[in-house]
Amino acid sequence: NAGVMQNPRHLVRRRGQEARLRCSPMKGHSHVYWYRQLPEEGLKFMVYLQKENIIDESGMPKERFSAEFPKEGPSILRIQQVVRGDSAAYFCASSPSRLDVTQYFGPGTRLTVL
Amino acid sequence: KNQVEQSPQSLIILEGKNCTLQCNYTVSPFSNLRWYKQDTGRGPVSLTIMTFSENTKSNGRYTATLDADTKQSSLHITASQLSDSASYICVVSGVPPGGSYIPTFGRGTSLIVHP
Repeated sequence: NAGVMQNPRHLVRRRGQEARLRCSPMKGHSHVYWYRQLPEEGLKFMVYLQKENIIDESGMPKERFSAEFPKEGPSILRIQQVVRGDSAAYFCASSPSRLDVTQYFGPGTRLTVL
Repeated sequence: KNQVEQSPQSLIILEGKNCTLQCNYTVSPFSNLRWYKQDTGRGPVSLTIMTFSENTKSNGRYTATLDADTKQSSLHITASQLSDSASYICVVSGVPPGGSYIPTFGRGTSLIVHP
């Protein structure tokens, strides 16, 4: 049973470009969470999605950031017009249900904005 | 505001020694507390999960304690190994509507085990 997959593992973008981060949850998991980790900082919650629904996006910036988890395919975190401050590690986690407190994390995508 | 504070920020110990990491939180009402291990360049991996009624839980050489009254937790590592070198993260979730189910992460304790 493959774990949570994220790709790409490393992504370099120039200011103003778009970044697309992908997350495939563990098999059987329909709940996905995105977190951002800045250097020397703890992980910060961004968004919680269930298949085809955004459950909670209270941690996601209102502008330039969006997330989706379609019926088929991976969850996508999209950052438009990236700025240097977006440089961080972005982690995805999945769980089988909302009530399951165990979240399984992917290896992360390290975004560098030049 | 929900906060999770961890101490020490970093710790260096010799292989074979024991160590204890601390976590204080303000999340209320409390639902659960988790300890994760995060190796450099990897995602966090769950070590233990504790709910309100549990005050001790072990996972191999890792033993977590919880005092829900004082809102404190500790992670004790016994007979440390080089592979224990990692960041250890304390994560606390609350119960709506007073608290939030969204987990609050501590900044982690960076542990380095020297041979």
